[in-house]
Amino acid sequence: EDQVTQSPEALRLQEGESSSLNCSYTVSGLRGLFWYRQDPGKGPEFLFTLYSAGEEKEKERLKATLTKKESFLHITAPKPEDSATYLCAVLSNQGGKLIFGQGTELSVKP
Amino acid sequence: EAGVAQSPRYKIIEKRQSVAFWCNPISGHATLYWYQQILGQGPKLLIQFQNNGVVDDSQLPKDRFSAERLKGVDSTLKIQPAKLEDSAVYLCASSLTQGRFYNEQFFGPGTRLTVL
Repeated sequence: EDQVTQSPEALRLQEGESSSLNCSYTVSGLRGLFWYRQDPGKGPEFLFTLYSAGEEKEKERLKATLTKKESFLHITAPKPEDSATYLCAVLSNQGGKLIFGQGTELSVKP
Repeated sequence: EAGVAQSPRYKIIEKRQSVAFWCNPISGHATLYWYQQILGQGPKLLIQFQNNGVVDDSQLPKDRFSAERLKGVDSTLKIQPAKLEDSAVYLCASSLTQGRFYNEQFFGPGTRLTVL
């Protein structure tokens, strides 16, 4: 059974304090790994898609990386506006639906 | 470009009552999804439509949940009768055709359902 586990569940950072969020997955053939951002009261917003181990994608202060067992979302010098829940999801070659992790709630204090 | 629209935004009902949610996807998006997101969890797919046909409803509790997509555009999700454990945010998403290649899913703001 496809499974996604994110850690930590919650992360509190000071503005400018860089850190990483982890997404561990088990899947029967990875078709893609996706990162979403979700603000309170809103639907998830797409950030990145990664398709193969070794791939990296960047957007502003965010950088996503992928290995055969996990993905990291690196946040460099975060700002308060980066506060949100970050969701990871996988799509397997067997199934056509996204399997989401439980999310990491990030809080960045000024 | 207008995003995915959902209504209502909030709904409070008593257990055993019925409720319906509405979704209008992004124009031209053939694939529509309904997700259930329980507090503290990630979204879980309930049903996926390709145009007005069902692609996947394996996780839809069919004894109480139903969904339809008329004319391949708008969709409604119904719960009848509701249980306490149905309290969650119901998210609608849409994407261009999902066949061999995955297309980014765009999510609506969701409907927060509270069952008392």
